[in-house]
Amino acid sequence: GNSVTQMEGPVTLSEEAFLTINCTYTATGYPSLFWYVQYPGEGLQLLLKATKADDKGSNKGFEATYRKETTSFHLEKGSVQVSDSAVYFCALRNTGNQFYFGTGTSLTVIP
Amino acid sequence: KAGVTQTPRYLIKTRGQQVTLSCSPISGHRSVSWYQQTPGQGLQFLFEYFSETQRNKGNFPGRFSGRQFSNSRSEMNVSTLELGDSALYLCASRPVAGGPEQFFGPGTRLTVL
Repeated sequence: GNSVTQMEGPVTLSEEAFLTINCTYTATGYPSLFWYVQYPGEGLQLLLKATKADDKGSNKGFEATYRKETTSFHLEKGSVQVSDSAVYFCALRNTGNQFYFGTGTSLTVIP
Repeated sequence: KAGVTQTPRYLIKTRGQQVTLSCSPISGHRSVSWYQQTPGQGLQFLFEYFSETQRNKGNFPGRFSGRQFSNSRSEMNVSTLELGDSALYLCASRPVAGGPEQFFGPGTRLTVL
């Protein structure tokens, strides 16, 4: 079957710290992988995506690399800001074009 | 271009009642998906509609139903509400069924007392 597992939160970091949020997936075939971000009171926004193995998605200083051998898509940022405080969701779209989401990881960045 | 809109933003209902939520997709988008978001469960897929037809369905009881109109607007109905139905209900649209990217609305926060 298809599923996404991401690290449990909440995660609290100081400003300018390095961020890693782990995400692993199970899927048949060759899924596309996504990171979405949800700010308080809002819906989900696409942060970045990768559609095939070894692709690196990047946006706003965030990066994630599609690793087929480890079935992973870990989110990283070198220096977080207070404005990055949000909930982050890892997701996959399978070959049947259905989306599967992880449970979300809450990030709080303190000044 | 206006984004996905959902109404109402907040609802309070009591057990046993029914509720209808509305979603207007981005102009030109014909596919609408619904998700239930709860703490600890993340987003769980309810169903997807395209051209007024349900294309995919998640693993939810029959109390959850939906429909789509010819203008692509979609409604979701939950009958005989239970306490566990309290959640944020998110709607997402994409240009076509199975399109590569979803655009989410702000959600409707449903509280069942």
